[in-house]
Amino acid sequence: EAQVTQNPRYLITVTGKKLTVTCSQNMNHEYMSWYRQDPGLGLRQIYYSMNVEVTDKGDVPEGYKVSRKEKRNFPLILESPSPNQTSLYFCASSHPGLAHNEQFFGPGTRLTVL
Amino acid sequence: KNEVEQSPQNLTAQEGEFITINCSYSVGISALHWLQQHPGGGIVSLFMLSSGKKKHGRLIATINIQEKHSSLHITASHPRDSAVYICAVKSMGNQFYFGTGTSLTVIP
Repeated sequence: EAQVTQNPRYLITVTGKKLTVTCSQNMNHEYMSWYRQDPGLGLRQIYYSMNVEVTDKGDVPEGYKVSRKEKRNFPLILESPSPNQTSLYFCASSHPGLAHNEQFFGPGTRLTVL
Repeated sequence: KNEVEQSPQNLTAQEGEFITINCSYSVGISALHWLQQHPGGGIVSLFMLSSGKKKHGRLIATINIQEKHSSLHITASHPRDSAVYICAVKSMGNQFYFGTGTSLTVIP
């Protein structure tokens, strides 16, 4: 089954404790992206990657890191989480070369930073 | 700065009504996407448009590139259409920008 998986789905942590949210896709997609969703602000792009070893900042990259060492994986790293990073996070992937080019979204990770 | 504006923010309709959600954007785009988010939180892609019109079942999406405007129409609305509909644009630089969503409730 074609899918994007994220882990963990729910996470409660404390300020300053480094964490990683994993994202993996099994569709051989080149484009992968991380978004956060906040009430009243909607979805905002954090980082995206056009291919292996190619990453770019989105609208709200501060406080986040990413890496793309393999095509299927695109982890989101919070080196020193703060309460303003409490949010719902989505990973997504797509194949820019395809005519339809729809994005496939993961199920979301709800992060609470105390 | 709001690169993407959607209207209305909230919409309540009776079952069977024709529904229109509008999206305007201010950046140059390579594509526009319509997404659906159900109360459980999952997001699915409904349409990707770069020109013209697309139809899938009771859903129709149109885009006017010159006017930087897109509409999502739902014909013969049904309670299962109740969800948040999100307009997203992919810029020429491959970055995505999103509207804040339209919350649709269809009453039986």
